[in-house]
Amino acid sequence: GAGVSQTPSNKVTEKGKYVELRCDPISGHTALYWYRQSLGQGPEFLIYFQGTGAADDSGLPNDRFFAVRPEGSVSTLKIQRTERGDSAVYLCASSFIWGGELFFGEGSRLTVL
Amino acid sequence: GQQVMQIPQYQHVQEGEDFTTYCNSSTTLSNIQWYKQRPGGHPVFLIQLVKSGEVKKQKRLTFQFGEAKKNSSLHITATQTTDVGTYFCAGAMNYGGSQGNLIFGKGTKLSVKP
Repeated sequence: GAGVSQTPSNKVTEKGKYVELRCDPISGHTALYWYRQSLGQGPEFLIYFQGTGAADDSGLPNDRFFAVRPEGSVSTLKIQRTERGDSAVYLCASSFIWGGELFFGEGSRLTVL
Repeated sequence: GQQVMQIPQYQHVQEGEDFTTYCNSSTTLSNIQWYKQRPGGHPVFLIQLVKSGEVKKQKRLTFQFGEAKKNSSLHITATQTTDVGTYFCAGAMNYGGSQGNLIFGKGTKLSVKP
């Protein structure tokens, strides 16, 4: 595709519900990243994939958060038992190589009521 | 954990004035990247600095990487209203020669009064 695509663009859910956020990276980009951005803050690293495997998931806040990239392209970030503190914009980015320029998607805005 | 500090948090300038934002890391960086995020938008890559003491220019923007690879700056000459947005530095930590993840600063929000 022309750019990184993220769906949904907006998600409103209730506390305790399960949420999935999808990211479709730029074709040919092997590295895929998930960041979380709260209002007035910089993007906070969550997890990074090189191919199908999670190369570094040290940024995931707790075990309610999980991400997969089964075929080395599309990735899904999964959040169980959502809490109000999970409300943020979840940004996905991809790069041609690890350490290269990040291309960000428009983000998925998650609101937990 | 590792942090990248960025100052100032906000900067209000008159159009035509210069603007500078500073980025500091407590640890040596492998490289540093700069991004711009327009209001309501997503971060967009501006530049990457890799070498100690490196200086790069893009039209009115000048980027510097410190000699110790722990600090960086972005300077905009003669700001225009199109420069409005938040500027983030993102440092790649150096783990014994291996590059770590990109850690973003909190950003400097620039507003330009016409």
